Amino acid sequence: GAVVSQHPSRVICKSGTSVKIECRSLDFQATTMFWYRQFPKQSLMLMATSNEGSKATYEQGVEKDKFLINHASLTLSTLTVTSAHPEDSSFYICSTQHGSSYEQYFGPGTRLTVT
Amino acid sequence: AQTVTQSQPEMSVQEAETVTLSCTYDTSESDYYLFWYKQPPSRQMILVIRQEAYKQQNATENRFSVNFQKAAKSFSLKISDSQLGDAAMYFCAYRRYNAGNNRKLIWGLGTSLAVNP
Repeated sequence: GAVVSQHPSRVICKSGTSVKIECRSLDFQATTMFWYRQFPKQSLMLMATSNEGSKATYEQGVEKDKFLINHASLTLSTLTVTSAHPEDSSFYICSTQHGSSYEQYFGPGTRLTVT
Repeated sequence: AQTVTQSQPEMSVQEAETVTLSCTYDTSESDYYLFWYKQPPSRQMILVIRQEAYKQQNATENRFSVNFQKAAKSFSLKISDSQLGDAAMYFCAYRRYNAGNNRKLIWGLGTSLAVNP
C-alpha cells in the first residue's frame, strides 16, 4: 500500500497557541486528503476533505476558522489548529486518496496535547 | 444518509479459534464499497479487506473473510486461526461507489477484539 507520513507524531502546546500538523503522501499524488479526529476508544470523526488546489470541505460542526487546512500540493496537506484549547487535545489522523480509487491510505496519526 | 452499525463494542477470542465481528449498514444505493479496517495499539489504520457490492462472491484475504449479505445489509468479518497480533480495534466502513467529490468513508463505532493466549 501507499505510504503516508504525518509530522509531528506527538506535540504538546500551550493553550492559546497554534500548532501545525503535516500530512505527506510519499509515493503517489494524492488528489484528495482527509483529516480525522479520534478520541480514545472511539471511532474516527471526519473533520474535512481536502482537495488539491481548492478549499477544503468541512463537516458539519467543524470550525473552519479554527482548523485551517491547506492542500497546496499533491503530496502535502497541513492542518493548523489555531488558538488551541485543552478540549482540542486528541489524536489527529490524515488519509490520502488518488483519483477515484476506492482505497484510502492512512497516516500514523498525531497526538496533540494542549496544556 | 448512510449509516454503519457495529453492535459489539468488545469481543474476545482464544488464540487459534475463530471469531466473527458483525456489521450492518443502511443505504438506498445499489453500488458501494464496504471495508474492514484494523487499528492496533499503534493506532496505524490498516485495511483488512474490502467488498464491492456488485460482487456476489465474498471477499477473502488469508485468514480474514467476510459474509456479505446484500439484501440483509450485513457485512460480517470472520477471523480464522486467531493470532495475538489480531488484537485491535476493528472498524467497518462504507463508501459510495460513484462518489464523485464525496468519497468519504462512513464509519462504524468499532469493535475491540481481545485475543487470549
